[in-house]
Amino acid sequence: DAKTTQPTSMDCAEGRAANLPCNHSTISGNEYVYWYRQIHSQGPQYIIHGLKNNETNEMASLIITEDRKSSTLILPHATLRDTAVYYCIVRSLTNTGNQFYFGTGTSLTVIP
Amino acid sequence: DTGVSQDPRHKITKRGQNVTFRCDPISEHNRLYWYRQTLGQGPEFLTYFQNEAQLEKSRLLSDRFSAERPKGSFSTLEIQRTEQGDSAMYLCASSLSLGNTNYGYTFGSGTRLTVV
Repeated sequence: DAKTTQPTSMDCAEGRAANLPCNHSTISGNEYVYWYRQIHSQGPQYIIHGLKNNETNEMASLIITEDRKSSTLILPHATLRDTAVYYCIVRSLTNTGNQFYFGTGTSLTVIP
Repeated sequence: DTGVSQDPRHKITKRGQNVTFRCDPISEHNRLYWYRQTLGQGPEFLTYFQNEAQLEKSRLLSDRFSAERPKGSFSTLEIQRTEQGDSAMYLCASSLSLGNTNYGYTFGSGTRLTVV
């Protein structure tokens, strides 16, 4: 699975949009971009995933560049409960490559 | 309960003792994964099962570690002769695999092991 690069940490003011970038320049055509987050002392939580089109759900939006080499996770109105480590992962849905490989993620701190 | 359950949540053990953790996946999920997470790092893959078959083991899974999923439902992870380096959060996840498609994981809250 392709490797991802994320900033180590970011701050965001409460109520503002949090934009978390991820670079995945070696992504292949059948690999999806997944985002998970991990709040302290809990297991990772699924947020969103996409292939090439932008995606939106009740938690976040995922913007994938046209060349698919980078993406941005957007939390539209960050709250204090969004403080967590956010992991960007690229992974094929096929049977080759069955695991998620997590990096160190981005530690997002939402500031009151 | 529709989530992934792990038991116990916390375990403190003396070095050299054996410990066993349990994971109950989401009932319709046929895949079950074990990960380990140390402080400041992302989760690291250990092993996974499809139904009762253990299909892959990471090099991180030393001979002291063994995992089972005897009936394709719950799974256990045993660590024999624990060492201080085994102190970590042990995470279980489950997912659904249909045909050639694997869907996203649901993680449990983990078991935090402290070896003293």
